[in-house]
Amino acid sequence: GENVEQHPSTLSVQEGDSAVIKCTYSDSASNYFPWYKQELGKRPQLIIDIRSNVGEKKDQRIAVTLNKTAKHFSLHITETQPEDSAVYFCAARRDPGYGGATNKLIFGTGTLLAVQP
Amino acid sequence: KAGVTQTPRYLIKTRGQQVTLSCSPISGHRSVSWYQQTPGQGLQFLFEYFSETQRNKGNFPGRFSGRQFSNSRSEMNVSTLELGDSALYLCASSQSGTGAGTDTQYFGPGTRLTVL
Repeated sequence: GENVEQHPSTLSVQEGDSAVIKCTYSDSASNYFPWYKQELGKRPQLIIDIRSNVGEKKDQRIAVTLNKTAKHFSLHITETQPEDSAVYFCAARRDPGYGGATNKLIFGTGTLLAVQP
Repeated sequence: KAGVTQTPRYLIKTRGQQVTLSCSPISGHRSVSWYQQTPGQGLQFLFEYFSETQRNKGNFPGRFSGRQFSNSRSEMNVSTLELGDSALYLCASSQSGTGAGTDTQYFGPGTRLTVL
């Protein structure tokens, strides 16, 4: 079945440190992996995504790595700031070549990141 | 462009009632997906509509249904409400979902449903 495991469930770091969140997916037909940030009472916001034809993608302090063989991907946040505090969700979506076009995302259970000033 | 909007933002219903939630996607987006978010189960996929057709469905009972109109606006309906249906219902829109890079999903603010 389709499943995405996410670890850790909570993560506390000091301002300026790095944070790493890891996800493992079960569906080998997955080829698109977005990360969403959800602040308290707000909507999930896409912060970065990666497709299976690349192994790493960076956007300023945020990077995502993908290992298709091991079926896992990770979010790396460097030089963390208090405004990075939020719940982060990873997700996976199937390649449209397997069963047709879809936007169905399978989400991980979320990581509550707390950045201590 | 205006973002994804959802109405109403908050709803309080009692068991056995039914409810209809509305989602207006970003202009030009033809795909609308619905998710249920709860503290215990996280974000779970309900269904997706594309060009007025249900393209995919999650593992929810038949009490949960939806539709999409020709202007891409979507509604979801929950009949015979149960206490466990209390959740934040989020919709997300995207242009296509064909994997061509035009498939980023943007979420609305959600509708907070409380069932008493």
